[in-house]
Amino acid sequence: EDQVTQSPEALRLQEGESSSLNCSYTVSGLRGLFWYRQDPGKGPEFLFTLYSAGEEKEKERLKATLTKKESFLHITAPKPEDSATYLCAVQAAGANNLFFGTGTRLTVIP
Amino acid sequence: DAGVIQSPRHEVTEMGQEVTLRCKPISGHDYLFWYRQTMMRGLELLIYFNNNVPIDDSGMPEDRFSAKMPNASFSTLKIQPSEPRDSAVYFCASSGLTYEQFFGPGTRLTVL
Repeated sequence: EDQVTQSPEALRLQEGESSSLNCSYTVSGLRGLFWYRQDPGKGPEFLFTLYSAGEEKEKERLKATLTKKESFLHITAPKPEDSATYLCAVQAAGANNLFFGTGTRLTVIP
Repeated sequence: DAGVIQSPRHEVTEMGQEVTLRCKPISGHDYLFWYRQTMMRGLELLIYFNNNVPIDDSGMPEDRFSAKMPNASFSTLKIQPSEPRDSAVYFCASSGLTYEQFFGPGTRLTVL
């Protein structure tokens, strides 16, 4: 059975204080691992897709990396506008649906 | 592109009433997904369609829930009769040639 565990559940950072969010997964053959950002009262917003171990993708202050068992979302010098819930999801080989973790709620304090 | 459109944005109803949620996917996308999000269980897939055909409805909680996709630009999720435990935010998402799913703004349902 597919499993996605995100940690920590919540994270408070000072503006400029870099950190990482973790997504551990178990899936029967990985087609892709997805990162989304969700702001309160809104739908998840797509950030990245990673397909194979060793792959990295960057967008502004965010960088996502992937190993065979986990993915990290690194946040460099965060700003208050980076505050949101970050969701990780996996898609198994041959599947079309995504299986989501419960997210990490990030708060960046000015 | 307008993105995925959902209506209504908020729905408050009484237990036992019928509720219909609506979704317009992104034009050209051939997959449509319905999710439910709660604090306790997070984001859960209810059902998804490919080319208007339901493919996997194993996440639909019970017979009170039904979903249809009469054409490529419209889908509905119906709850009849509604119960307080159905209170949640319901999202619709669509995807195309790539596997990324794009979500609508959601419908916040409250059943009293």
